[in-house]
Amino acid sequence: KAGVTQTPRYLIKTRGQQVTLSCSPISGHRSVSWYQQTPGQGLQFLFEYFSETQRNKGNFPGRFSGRQFSNSRSEMNVSTLELGDSALYLCASKRQIQQYGYTFGSGTRLTVV
Amino acid sequence: AQTVTQSQPEMSVQEAETVTLSCTYDTSESNYYLFWYKQPPSRQMILVIRQEAYKQQNATENRFSVNFQKAAKSFSLKISDSQLGDTAMYFCAFRVTGANSKLTFGKGITLSVRP
Repeated sequence: KAGVTQTPRYLIKTRGQQVTLSCSPISGHRSVSWYQQTPGQGLQFLFEYFSETQRNKGNFPGRFSGRQFSNSRSEMNVSTLELGDSALYLCASKRQIQQYGYTFGSGTRLTVV
Repeated sequence: AQTVTQSQPEMSVQEAETVTLSCTYDTSESNYYLFWYKQPPSRQMILVIRQEAYKQQNATENRFSVNFQKAAKSFSLKISDSQLGDTAMYFCAFRVTGANSKLTFGKGITLSVRP
């Protein structure tokens, strides 16, 4: 079966712009989480969605937002991009929130110049 | 709040040998899961092994096994018969049981397997 699909794979944006990243979970998975990975801070939790509702949120500024659609696909948006937002953004999905195991996508590499 | 510490940034091992990756964590929770994830150059995080905190028996998955010391809050990964395909970054991760399924990751360790 298809895995977690993240698009685009690479993205270059200019400071001040906004960006939208997309994540399509495995079919049947209703929980989608987002993580930011940087060399300095490592992997940090952004937010989790289940059945179109945000269930958990990490410690990120309001410029970072997300949503989940009725088909469980999720998008995250970053407004007013800063150089420090350059990172690998990973999406992970699972069938139910209580399940222990996530399946991760291969991420979107965002570079802010 | 939970913290996960991986103090070794890099390790190298000869093919076919055994290597142990260290991880310590800190939590006041009593029910939780611990994980080791592998991230190869393809960037996808792959679950290697998991351990439920209530289980005393150490988890094993083929060549991968853990040494879980709950009192010491230690969770090390042993890779036996190392293969070139094991070359990757390895992350230790923690989550509490229940509805809050946020993963807390360590900084990771880069493992290189030499031919």
